[in-house]
Amino acid sequence: AQKVTQAQTEISVVEKEDVTLDCVYETRDTTYYLFWYKQPPSGELVFLIRRNSFDEQNEISGRYSWNFQKSTSSFNFTITASQVVDSAVYFCALTLSGNTPLVFGKGTRLSVIA
Amino acid sequence: EAQVTQNPRYLITVTGKKLTVTCSQNMNHEYMSWYRQDPGLGLRQIYYSMNVEVTDKGDVPEGYKVSRKEKRNFPLILESPSPNQTSLYFCASSLSKDHTEAFFGQGTRLTVV
Repeated sequence: AQKVTQAQTEISVVEKEDVTLDCVYETRDTTYYLFWYKQPPSGELVFLIRRNSFDEQNEISGRYSWNFQKSTSSFNFTITASQVVDSAVYFCALTLSGNTPLVFGKGTRLSVIA
Repeated sequence: EAQVTQNPRYLITVTGKKLTVTCSQNMNHEYMSWYRQDPGLGLRQIYYSMNVEVTDKGDVPEGYKVSRKEKRNFPLILESPSPNQTSLYFCASSLSKDHTEAFFGQGTRLTVV
């Protein structure tokens, strides 16, 4: 069975600090996909990134970056120079190829304080 | 604009009164699914559909029904709601079963009293 662990339940940082959200996953399959979603206070889920298990290149998108390491089964998310608008709950998720659901971690609540 | 639309956004109902939460997507996606979000449990899949007239159970299907008569619509039906179905519900659609470009609706907050 697949499992996603987000060990950090809540994180608080001061604006402009860098912050890393951890995600550790478990699966026996060699083909899988990893995701990050953002849930702002308004409640909707916003897609941030999708990576497949064969692509270990790190990704950068503006202030966001993702570090995928198969050796440690981790897919960590870093926000550089955090802003108040980054305050949200962030979910990491995993799915296999085929008819399998997205398996979500329990989320990390990030509070960025001005 | 690509979107998944759920209605209603908020609903308070009484135990046993049948209700339907609608979900519609405008991206011609084949794969649609329903999740519920509960504190401390994250999101869990209720049902999913690979295409029209093809539906299957997710991790927590008890007490729910779905139908997929048209590609764009995937309603969630609670025949006899109970208080343990109080939750935040999300509909999602994606291009394929491996959740390529998965989009979520804005959520429906349901309270059953």
